[in-house]
Amino acid sequence: DIQMTQSPSSVYASIGDRVTISCRASQGVSSSLAWYQQRPGKAPKLLIYGASSLQSGVPSRFSGSGSGTDFTLTLSSLQPEDFATYYCQQADSFPLTFGGGTKVEIK
Amino acid sequence: EVQLLESGGDLVQTGGSLRLACVASGFSFNSYAMSWVRQAPGKGLEWVSATGSGGIDKHYADSVRGRFTISRDNSKNTLYLQMNSLRVEDTAVYYCAKAGKTVAHTRYFDAWGLGTLVTVSS
Repeated sequence: DIQMTQSPSSVYASIGDRVTISCRASQGVSSSLAWYQQRPGKAPKLLIYGASSLQSGVPSRFSGSGSGTDFTLTLSSLQPEDFATYYCQQADSFPLTFGGGTKVEIK
Repeated sequence: EVQLLESGGDLVQTGGSLRLACVASGFSFNSYAMSWVRQAPGKGLEWVSATGSGGIDKHYADSVRGRFTISRDNSKNTLYLQMNSLRVEDTAVYYCAKAGKTVAHTRYFDAWGLGTLVTVSS
């Protein structure tokens, strides 16, 4: 199974900050990597697929990069609605696996 | 508008069974692979099972293989998860999730239901 490791597990940031979240796969997944946002009590929401493709309707302040084993989600200017937990997911092979999550909290 | 509505979650004792259902609308259900993903209280996301658009291809997490069975009825736009031999560690909110594209091997999810809570008590 492919293990997905996210870092940090939590980050404290202010409105307008740039935030970077990392995700590392235990083996190469090419560009088959997705990012999701989950607000408390809500279902996850797709932000990025194919490592860097922005899902329709998602603000352009979200961006993804990377390939192989190392990936990054960047929030260029944090907005109040961005305080949430973010998960990466490898979409390369079954069993599909998620990272442990990164909680973005208000500083 | 794509909608996924899960049902069937309940409180059940260890060793019991439940069948979850997910009714889909707003898209061509029979063209998309579907999955179940769960989230234990206060924990992260765990993929459980997936089925291809035709219901032939099926995949399971090791933690549920042999106990859970995924199926779909494309005539009813409904995805199912039969859960047998339930364990305390199966306690979670169960989400159904739609594959992002109709292209085979699309394994990310662009729509999720609201979830249904399964609680397994000893």
